[in-house]
Amino acid sequence: EVQLLESGGGLVQPGGSLRLSCAASGFTFSNYAMFWVRQAPGEGLEWVSGIPGTSAYTYYADSVKGRFTISRDNSKNTLYLHMNSLRAEDTAVYFCARRDYSDPSTYSPLFYYWGQGTLVTVSS
Amino acid sequence: DVQMTQSPSTLSASVGDRVTITCRASQTVTTSLAWHQQKPGKAPKLLIYKASILQSGVPSRFSGSGSGTEFTLTISSLQPDDSATYYCQQYETYSGTFGQGTKVEIK
Repeated sequence: EVQLLESGGGLVQPGGSLRLSCAASGFTFSNYAMFWVRQAPGEGLEWVSGIPGTSAYTYYADSVKGRFTISRDNSKNTLYLHMNSLRAEDTAVYFCARRDYSDPSTYSPLFYYWGQGTLVTVSS
Repeated sequence: DVQMTQSPSTLSASVGDRVTITCRASQTVTTSLAWHQQKPGKAPKLLIYKASILQSGVPSRFSGSGSGTEFTLTISSLQPDDSATYYCQQYETYSGTFGQGTKVEIK
């Protein structure tokens, strides 16, 4: 059974940093592109970032480019999101998601499986 | 970037009604279009991908159609458990853009 378990959320001051983790199980992690998607309170879904299985390249939404870094450790079956220079508008539930089929070198942001999310609150 | 526009934003219908949600893309996304269902306080759930392929385990009352820039999600006979917000999402480009969502309420 595919499982994605996010952690690392919490309260942080504006300008601060936080690292989110997504522990994956139930599949060969290194074969799948992975993504972060967020949802501000009462708002819709927003794609944040994505990375293929090989980590050969990364993609970011304009709203987080230069502040957030996506990475993965295939030996630990874990996806990360390093968030710096956090702003109030980054307050959201952050979900990790997995693509549909197994191909470590390609990237297609179809969110086939979702984690349960972790809440990040940016406030003084 | 590709913009996705859903209509309506909210709809209220009775149990047994046929319900249709429309999604339009600002440029062609071929058939790289998915529909997700989200209930309050829960993670989204994939319902349909490649515009019309039903995800395993999703009831057959859900169906999707369209290609290019216009897509529809249809619920053939609305059930109480279908009360949720539905999002279309393109995956033709790297950004995986979502529509703004359609909240479906049961009368």
